[in-house]
Amino acid sequence: DSGVTQTPKHLITATGQRVTLRCSPRSGDLSVYWYQQSLDQGLQFLIQYYNGEERAKGNILERFSAQQFPDLHSELNLSSLELGDSALYFCASSVGQTVPHQETQYFGPGTRLLVL
Amino acid sequence: DAKTTQPPSMDCAEGRAANLPCNHSTISGNEYVYWYRQIHSQGPQYIIHGLKNNETNEMASLIITEDRKSSTLILPHATLRDTAVYYCIVRPYNNNDMRFGAGTRLTVKP
Repeated sequence: DSGVTQTPKHLITATGQRVTLRCSPRSGDLSVYWYQQSLDQGLQFLIQYYNGEERAKGNILERFSAQQFPDLHSELNLSSLELGDSALYFCASSVGQTVPHQETQYFGPGTRLLVL
Repeated sequence: DAKTTQPPSMDCAEGRAANLPCNHSTISGNEYVYWYRQIHSQGPQYIIHGLKNNETNEMASLIITEDRKSSTLILPHATLRDTAVYYCIVRPYNNNDMRFGAGTRLTVKP
């Protein structure tokens, strides 16, 4: 158990809909990361937040957005969903430092999204 | 960014050492080598990381060649529960995003 929690475990929705995935980092961790894992693309980094502010952006679509709240939990919002958005979405956390620095990331169990 | 090359799959007998190679010939001086594994569709699990010295922890050992162009992850006594996809990742010191490749699918057989 990494200490990172994600809800829900599974989500089934229809095309065009909007969903919100939630992540609670390990106790004390300030940085949160979101990753997408689909069958054809592998694990891809989407976005990172550090202490409430966006720190780094990867291959995140404009239809997707994220935020980190004062209690450090994070939410990933996916809108105008398409069939191709079906994937596993993982959240990870790390200690977090003021200056960007490579840190060990600990992953949650993921949310499996199925868009029908 | 430095890239890594790993064999797509490997087999290992239960109880034997599993040696997983990774080539990172374009690695820069400030880039670390990280290893993660993913069991079925669970979240990736951190195993070990290093810069230039060999490292060991309760899960595995990491051997990095002197020229740092390749490394080997060693699971000393593989069990069936070590069956997973193993990812070798090279990360710059000042960069926090991780680029996962296809990894090596290790199958531990009885």
